Amino acid sequence: AQSVAQPEDQVNVAEGNPLTVKCTYSVSGNPYLFWYVQYPNRGLQFLLKYITGDNLVKGSYGFEAEFNKSQTSFHLKKPSALVSDSALYFCATYGNNRLAFGKGNQVVVIP
Amino acid sequence: DAGVIQSPRHEVTEMGQEVTLRCKPISGHNSLFWYRQTMMRGLELLIYFNNNVPIDDSGMPEDRFSAKMPNASFSTLKIQPSEPRDSAVYFCASSPPPTGPGTQYFGPGTRLTVL
Repeated sequence: AQSVAQPEDQVNVAEGNPLTVKCTYSVSGNPYLFWYVQYPNRGLQFLLKYITGDNLVKGSYGFEAEFNKSQTSFHLKKPSALVSDSALYFCATYGNNRLAFGKGNQVVVIP
Repeated sequence: DAGVIQSPRHEVTEMGQEVTLRCKPISGHNSLFWYRQTMMRGLELLIYFNNNVPIDDSGMPEDRFSAKMPNASFSTLKIQPSEPRDSAVYFCASSPPPTGPGTQYFGPGTRLTVL
């Protein structure tokens, strides 16, 4: 079965510092990996995806993620966090015509 | 582009009542997904349609739940009878062709409270 794991419940980071949200995957075959963000009382918004090609994927709002096959990871990163980045972040993998989401990570950016 | 539209945004009902949630996907999208989000279980896929046909309903929790997609621009998720444990946020999402690892676009959700 396709699955992702987000090991941390909450990530606290000071404004201006680098932000990393971790995700590891377990899939059979080629991994198709996604990051979504959910702001309070809103639906999920697509940030970026890895299907094939360059291991470094750039997405919306200055976010990027690095696909690492040897570590089966797809960590989300932003060089300088903003207070407005405070939200719930979901990693997901695609397989069997569906997205399987992780449990989500709450990111809190402290002014 | 209006995005995925869901109604109502909030629904409060009493146990035993019928609840109908509605979704209008993005025009031109041919896949539609219904999800449920709770604190305990996270985000769960309930059912998905491709070209208006239900493809996988294995996530539907029980017979009280049913979903339909009578045409490409409308879908409903019905709970009858509703129970307090159905309280959750229900999301609809759509994605464009071709079928495959494509991006899904989510609606704002319906927050359901069953008393």
